[in-house]
Amino acid sequence: GESVGLHLPTLSVQEGDNSIINCAYSNSASDYFIWYKQESGKGPQFIIDIRSNMDKRQGQRVTVLLNKTVKHLSLQIAATQPGDSAVYFCAESILTGGGNKLTFGTGTQLKVEL
Amino acid sequence: DTGVSQNPRHKITKRGQNVTFRCDPISEHNRLYWYRQTLGQGPEFLTYFQNEAQLEKSRLLSDRFSAERPKGSFSTLEIQRTEQGDSAMYLCASSLTGGVSYNEQFFGPGTRLTVL
Repeated sequence: GESVGLHLPTLSVQEGDNSIINCAYSNSASDYFIWYKQESGKGPQFIIDIRSNMDKRQGQRVTVLLNKTVKHLSLQIAATQPGDSAVYFCAESILTGGGNKLTFGTGTQLKVEL
Repeated sequence: DTGVSQNPRHKITKRGQNVTFRCDPISEHNRLYWYRQTLGQGPEFLTYFQNEAQLEKSRLLSDRFSAERPKGSFSTLEIQRTEQGDSAMYLCASSLTGGVSYNEQFFGPGTRLTVL
């Protein structure tokens, strides 16, 4: 079988630099998008979300950008810290009639180097 | 601790055995979700409940899998006649419903199943 799933894309950044993690989503009917952070041995943790009627949303040190034309999401982390090291997943959802179930994309391993 | 809890955290079983996992959601949350995550992949939706009603099941959920939420609080996920391909992390999440608003799903730590 295909083993590509065992080789997560990895982003290595220096502490203090900005990180950009990208994601392509699949369903043009999705109207809600979420970024999750997952540390080893833990469940996913909510970071930030964005509705499909927006193209940018900012949180504390994080910004999510949405480009519906090309079905692309990005997560920007400012001043990356060692505690940001984790796997990051984007997820898409349909708010009405979809039960809010999440469809996750391929994760990206973020490694912060001191 | 008021978060989502799952038990056991780890389960090792032999092929062909049955296993059952438990999820205790955040107390006031009426929605409960089960996901499965294999190494290097994102979680995949299995099923969800609103209160005690199971409203959707993924095609990933074969006949060997059954989930219940009898009183609308905790949930169990049973796998019968386990196969090596069932080895994965089983995640539970809970949320409140809120009309057309998205309500954050809070995930538990997961149960890691290894089928020998």
